[in-house]
Amino acid sequence: DAGVIQSPRHEVTEMGQEVTLRCKLISGHNSLFWYRQTMMRGLELLIYFNNNVPIDDSGMPEDRFSAKMPNASFSTLKIQPSEPRDSAVYFCASSLGSGGGHGELFFGEGSRLTVL
Amino acid sequence: AQKVTQAQTEISVVEKEDVTLDCVYETRDTTYYLFWYKQPPSGELVFLIRRNSFDEQNEISGRYSWNFQKSTSSFNFTITASQVVDSAVYFCALSEARTGNQFYFGTGTSLTVIP
Repeated sequence: DAGVIQSPRHEVTEMGQEVTLRCKLISGHNSLFWYRQTMMRGLELLIYFNNNVPIDDSGMPEDRFSAKMPNASFSTLKIQPSEPRDSAVYFCASSLGSGGGHGELFFGEGSRLTVL
Repeated sequence: AQKVTQAQTEISVVEKEDVTLDCVYETRDTTYYLFWYKQPPSGELVFLIRRNSFDEQNEISGRYSWNFQKSTSSFNFTITASQVVDSAVYFCALSEARTGNQFYFGTGTSLTVIP
């Protein structure tokens, strides 16, 4: 079975440009998480969805960040405009986590973003 | 307040030594779930184990074992006869029933196994 698929794996862009990160969930999973990892702040939850609905977006740094789930198997995280401090590894994870069953998170391989 | 505390930032051991990674959690829920993840140098996050709050039975999987103690709110992870391939950052995480599917990760423990 395919795991969580993220693209691009690496992105280098210039400050002010728009960045779109993509994530395909594991088939049948209904929860989707976006995390950001940096040396300084570790793993930070940005937002998570349950059944395509955003449940908690309190971790989204500011209005420059937005996330969507246009369908049950796909999500995008957009940064516009990007800034050097957005440089990090962005992880997407999915789980089967409704109805009290807190399934483990399955992570993608991450998207390493560098904003110059 | 930090819900998951991994007090050990970095640990170094010599190959074949045993090593225990500590994890202390904080919750008011009676129903919760605990997890350990491994992040090797290649960067991916690999799921290792999931326990629910009603199952305090310790678990062993090969060289890995986990000690869950509700009395001390701890979920420690022991690697027996460590190997170089065990070198990684290990994360402990908590998910509470009342907060839906929210996961709280610790700050991680970086383990280096020296050959």
